[in-house]
Amino acid sequence: AQSVAQPEDQVNVAEGNPLTVKCTYSVSGNPYLFWYVQYPNRGLQFLLKYITGDNLVKGSYGFEAEFNKSQTSFHLKKPSALVSDSALYFCAVRPRSSNTGKLIFGQGTTLQVKP
Amino acid sequence: NAGVTQTPKFQVLKTGQSMTLQCAQDMNHEYMSWYRQDPGMGLRLIHYSVGAGITDQGEVPNGYNVSRSTTEDFPLRLLSAAPSQTSVYFCASSLSSPGSPIYEQYFGPGTRLTVT
Repeated sequence: AQSVAQPEDQVNVAEGNPLTVKCTYSVSGNPYLFWYVQYPNRGLQFLLKYITGDNLVKGSYGFEAEFNKSQTSFHLKKPSALVSDSALYFCAVRPRSSNTGKLIFGQGTTLQVKP
Repeated sequence: NAGVTQTPKFQVLKTGQSMTLQCAQDMNHEYMSWYRQDPGMGLRLIHYSVGAGITDQGEVPNGYNVSRSTTEDFPLRLLSAAPSQTSVYFCASSLSSPGSPIYEQYFGPGTRLTVT
């Protein structure tokens, strides 16, 4: 079965430190990869996507993600965390073979940035 | 553009009642979908539509119906509410369609539903 795993329910980091939120996937072929962020009581907001090309993708709010085909991973990173980055982060994949827009989501990782 | 709008924001139902969650988008997106969000389970796809008049089931369709009579609207109907349907429901839309570039999905603010 196709699935997305975010192995950490919560990531804690001090403000100013680098952060990483992990994502691995089990989807056949080379899927399209996405990161979304959800602030409390809000809908999901798009951060970045990997379609093809450079393995390092840059997105909104200073976030970036690194695609690793051999490890089937797409980890979200930021060089210097802000308290305002505290939120729930979702990794999602869209199988390349799909002719619809269906996304498969991970279970989410709560990022807590402390001052 | 208002983006993706959802109504109501909150709803409490009794077991067995029916209701419709409304979703509309003004971006002329072909693809629309409904997800439910439950703690520790991420978002699970309920139903989706790739265009007006075309709908299909996601991974958790039981107990829900959809229709897509216009490009803009994609209502979700709960036929006979059950406590297991207590959740937060998100509608999303995207330009993605067969043969098109890969676009991200835009999400509405959500409807928090409680079934007692």
